[in-house]
Amino acid sequence: NAGVTQTPKFQVLKTGQSMTLQCAQDMNHEYMSWYRQDPGMGLRLIHYSVGAGITDQGEVPNGYNVSRSTTEDFPLRLLSAAPSQTSVYFCASSRTGGDSEAFFGQGTRLTVV
Amino acid sequence: AQSVTQLGSHVSVSEGALVLLRCNYSSSVPPYLFWYVQYPNQGLQLLLKYTSAATLVKGINGFEAEFKKSETSFHLTKPSAHMSDAAEYFCAVSDWGALTFGSGTRLQVQP
Repeated sequence: NAGVTQTPKFQVLKTGQSMTLQCAQDMNHEYMSWYRQDPGMGLRLIHYSVGAGITDQGEVPNGYNVSRSTTEDFPLRLLSAAPSQTSVYFCASSRTGGDSEAFFGQGTRLTVV
Repeated sequence: AQSVTQLGSHVSVSEGALVLLRCNYSSSVPPYLFWYVQYPNQGLQLLLKYTSAATLVKGINGFEAEFKKSETSFHLTKPSAHMSDAAEYFCAVSDWGALTFGSGTRLQVQP
């Protein structure tokens, strides 16, 4: 059982480049989300989705786009990378409901130079 | 809006000593509270969660946490630290699945 799979694990971008971080889950979870982790700040919610075709913004959405065409996949797009987007990105999935455990991917370490 | 405060960004204990990691929350409704652990270069893993069934919650690896509404706290404890407990620990509150995390506490275990 793969759980939540993120690719790539590492990425270096130049300022202004675009890229897509991939996230896939095989647990048939309706809820998926993206977080960024920065030192001393914990994890902050970027975007989330409660099901295919439905997405919404989290705490820090600027500079990121998402879409959810299938239950399994929830890619995160950086349209024009900036050094402030240097971070570790985590994708998570869970059943719908506030008491549900979130399952996290292994993370993508992104550096923007 | 919900928020979580973790007191102490770094905690160091000796192997075999009590572990106490502090978490205070702010929520306008009865909260769903979680503790997650992150080992180096890995994702987060659930330790335990509070969902109003019982105030004392037992989790994996010998950890437990007590929900105290009057103190708005959900502190994490373990009676005897093991070297393998060295990791970063995050307290989080859930708003219908959207997690708000504290800033994390890095636990160091000294031999």
